[in-house]
Amino acid sequence: KQEVTQIPAALSVPEGENLVLNCSFTDSAIYNLQWFRQDPGKGLTSLLLIQSSQREQTSGRLNASLDKSSGRSTLYIAASQPGDSATYLCAVRGAFQTGANNLFFGTGTRLTVIP
Amino acid sequence: DAGITQSPRHKVTETGTPVTLRCHQTENHRYMYWYRQDPGHGLRLIHYSYGVKDTDKGEVSDGYSVSRSKTEDFLLTLESATSSQTSVYFCAISEPDRGGEQYFGPGTRLTVT
Repeated sequence: KQEVTQIPAALSVPEGENLVLNCSFTDSAIYNLQWFRQDPGKGLTSLLLIQSSQREQTSGRLNASLDKSSGRSTLYIAASQPGDSATYLCAVRGAFQTGANNLFFGTGTRLTVIP
Repeated sequence: DAGITQSPRHKVTETGTPVTLRCHQTENHRYMYWYRQDPGHGLRLIHYSYGVKDTDKGEVSDGYSVSRSKTEDFLLTLESATSSQTSVYFCAISEPDRGGEQYFGPGTRLTVT
């Protein structure tokens, strides 16, 4: 079974700092990897989707990279802002899953950006 | 937001009572999912559907059933609620053959007392 780990569980940074969130997964045979943002008491907002054939995806100040062979992905946030404060979740879909096509989630990194 | 709504958004119920949660989508997505989110665990799949009347179990399906009689609605039923089913429940949709990006609803917070 795919296991997804996100370290650290919590991170505090001063406003304006660039930062990297880490995600690792145990089975490198993935179909895609998705990064989400979750605000307290809210649903999940999809930030970036990386297909297994891709190395990175960018959206505004966010850049996600994927290294399948090492089972790792990073989410880079440039010039952090207080509004970036949230929990960031990483999730993978296996390449050989039959039926469900569901995602396997990490437990997230709670980011606090200090003004 | 992919046109996903969930109802109710909050519910408190007593142990042993049946509870039904509803997920509604407006964009005719084929795949729909129910996940639960608990502290210390990532979201875990309860059940999923790949079409009208086509459903199957996920990782944590014991004590839950689902139904999908229309494309737009996916119902999750707790047949006899237990305190261990206190959780936040999320519905999601995807089109696995078109990139497979998943989109999530706002969630339902269920408390079983």
